[in-house]
Amino acid sequence: ILNVEQSPQSLHVQEGDSTNFTCSFPSSNFYALHWYRWETAKSPEALFVMTLNGDEKKKGRISATLNTKEGYSYLYIKGSQPEDSATYLCAFMHGSARQLTFGSGTQLTVLP
Amino acid sequence: KAGVTQTPRYLIKTRGQQVTLSCSPISGHRSVSWYQQTPGQGLQFLFEYFSETQRNKGNFPGRFSGRQFSNSRSEMNVSTLELGDSALYLCASSYKTGDYGYTFGSGTRLTVV
Repeated sequence: ILNVEQSPQSLHVQEGDSTNFTCSFPSSNFYALHWYRWETAKSPEALFVMTLNGDEKKKGRISATLNTKEGYSYLYIKGSQPEDSATYLCAFMHGSARQLTFGSGTQLTVLP
Repeated sequence: KAGVTQTPRYLIKTRGQQVTLSCSPISGHRSVSWYQQTPGQGLQFLFEYFSETQRNKGNFPGRFSGRQFSNSRSEMNVSTLELGDSALYLCASSYKTGDYGYTFGSGTRLTVV
């Protein structure tokens, strides 16, 4: 059973704060690491797909880094806005079984 | 372009019955995956279909099954429903194996009473 852990479980920040979350995954037989944003009453939306050790991806104020050797990825949000409030999910794809194993998510609330 | 369409959106079934859920992927996407989310649990992988073949299967009992048609539309079936099957069922499609991420549908909320 693959273990994908995310921390913290939930986070409240003020508008304008920068924040980051952690995703830990198995460091062996890595294929890809996905990040998704899931807003209430909507569908999960893909943010990043990361495949190479040292990858850094950016989309607006959101960025992510990847360390496959030690098995972690960070998601950063710069200058959080209320519309960033959502659950952020990471998902690990194993090299052999190409299926996503999701973490339980970090629930972010940005207070105006 | 149209997104991933799941029908129905909501469903109430009685214990012991069976249910079929439908998923129409984005046009051109050949991979369809199914996930279950129950309260307190993350998204749990059920199975993935690619070009009508099941490629991967999660750790669920045989009561959960699926199939994919030649137009890439997929159905999942749950037989002999149990109360614990009450969940949000999401399907997701991608062109290949999610190399560019998966596009999720809005889900089917199944309640078993």
